[in-house]
Amino acid sequence: EIVLTQSPGTLSLSPGERATLSCRASQSVSSSYLAWYQQKPGQAPRLLIYGASSRATGIPDRFSGSGSGTDFTLTISRLEPEDFAVYYCQHYGSSPFTFGPGTKVDIK
Amino acid sequence: EVQLLESGGGLVQPGGSLRLSCAASGFTLRSYAMNWVRQAPGKGLEWVSSISNSGGSGGNTYYADSVKGRFTISRDNSKNTLYLQMNSLRAEDTALYYCAKHWASTVTTHFDYWGQGTLVTVSS
Repeated sequence: EIVLTQSPGTLSLSPGERATLSCRASQSVSSSYLAWYQQKPGQAPRLLIYGASSRATGIPDRFSGSGSGTDFTLTISRLEPEDFAVYYCQHYGSSPFTFGPGTKVDIK
Repeated sequence: EVQLLESGGGLVQPGGSLRLSCAASGFTLRSYAMNWVRQAPGKGLEWVSSISNSGGSGGNTYYADSVKGRFTISRDNSKNTLYLQMNSLRAEDTALYYCAKHWASTVTTHFDYWGQGTLVTVSS
């Protein structure tokens, strides 16, 4: 089973700042089968990034993903008020399709 | 527009059973793999189970260790509905259960659409 670790647990930033979120896997994630999801309170998760770096339909270009192997990053170039949320990484290359514990981005 | 509508949640005693349903619309269920993800109150996301699309056979199934042998995922393509039969329920199964659609027919794809969830509470 691939275990995903996300850091930091909480990121306190101001609107307009850059956010860098990390996701580390316990073993290599094959073919970059790594996704990022955003979840706001009381809402279902929303797909942001798949294949480690491809933006999902309708996702603004301030969101970008990078990485391969065991180290992946989600970057939000300039935080908008609606970006304050919890972000989860997930691998989907093989079962079990585990999620990371999440990084909460909150307003400083 | 893709929509996923979960139902069937509720309060159940430990050891009891529930069957969750996920009604799909806006796409043809038989063409896609599907799955269930849960979220305990105040906690993160936990993948529960996936089912692929393998023609008319109903698909290959996959389970988290925490539910293997107790939960069964299935699909009725004629009704465009996904199911999760949950038996021998435990307090730790208490969670909001989301239905989510895979991007393609295989399970090794990301989850591109999610429902709003149905709450399962296991308590005496």
